[in-house]
Amino acid sequence: QVQLVQSGAEVKKPGSSVKVSCKASGYTLTNYGISWVRQAPGQGLEWMGWINAYSSNTNYAQNLQDRVTMTTDTSTSTAYMELRSLRADDTAVYYCARASVDTAMDFDYWGQGTLVTVSS
Amino acid sequence: YEVTQPPSVSVSPGQTARITCSGDALPQQYAYWYQQKPGQAPVLILYKDIERPSGIPERFSGSSSGTTVTLTISGAQADDEADYYCQSADSNTTHVVFGGGTKLTVL
Repeated sequence: QVQLVQSGAEVKKPGSSVKVSCKASGYTLTNYGISWVRQAPGQGLEWMGWINAYSSNTNYAQNLQDRVTMTTDTSTSTAYMELRSLRADDTAVYYCARASVDTAMDFDYWGQGTLVTVSS
Repeated sequence: YEVTQPPSVSVSPGQTARITCSGDALPQQYAYWYQQKPGQAPVLILYKDIERPSGIPERFSGSSSGTTVTLTISGAQADDEADYYCQSADSNTTHVVFGGGTKLTVL
């Protein structure tokens, strides 16, 4: 069965970076894309960006494009999202989701979420 | 680009709930709907405006008219109480957008 298993919770200082992993199983990573979505406490869903796991093409949300990098490691079927220059308002649960390979849409499977807390 | 949902909808058990999502690009871009319960990851309940993934009950249906798409829950149950999010994309940038979410209360 399709599963996306994310790395564990992180506590980071303002100005530092975080890298969240998302290990895919039950399907071929390169046949799909991976989108990343975050949810601040008590808030709605915010799309962060998408990576085509076959071509490694990316499409980032405009408000994050200077601070985020999404990559994949096909040898381990793992996707990564790195966010730099962390601020308090980056505190959120971060989700990876399987998406269409040619659009960033259609999130049919989700990871369990990774809580990232940014605090001094 | 934004898509807009009502913040809350209430429905009595067994009745029909409708949640709308409005956006200028919706005539050109598909809409997707997700259900999220507290402490859980979202679940895809409708894709490409009207299609239902396997395992999603038939009481969830979708429709589209112009710049508005609608999620309809027929015969709402207590277990349907959740936040519902509409998702679509900006036609120019292909960036994904989520609506602000609608809290469905079944009482």
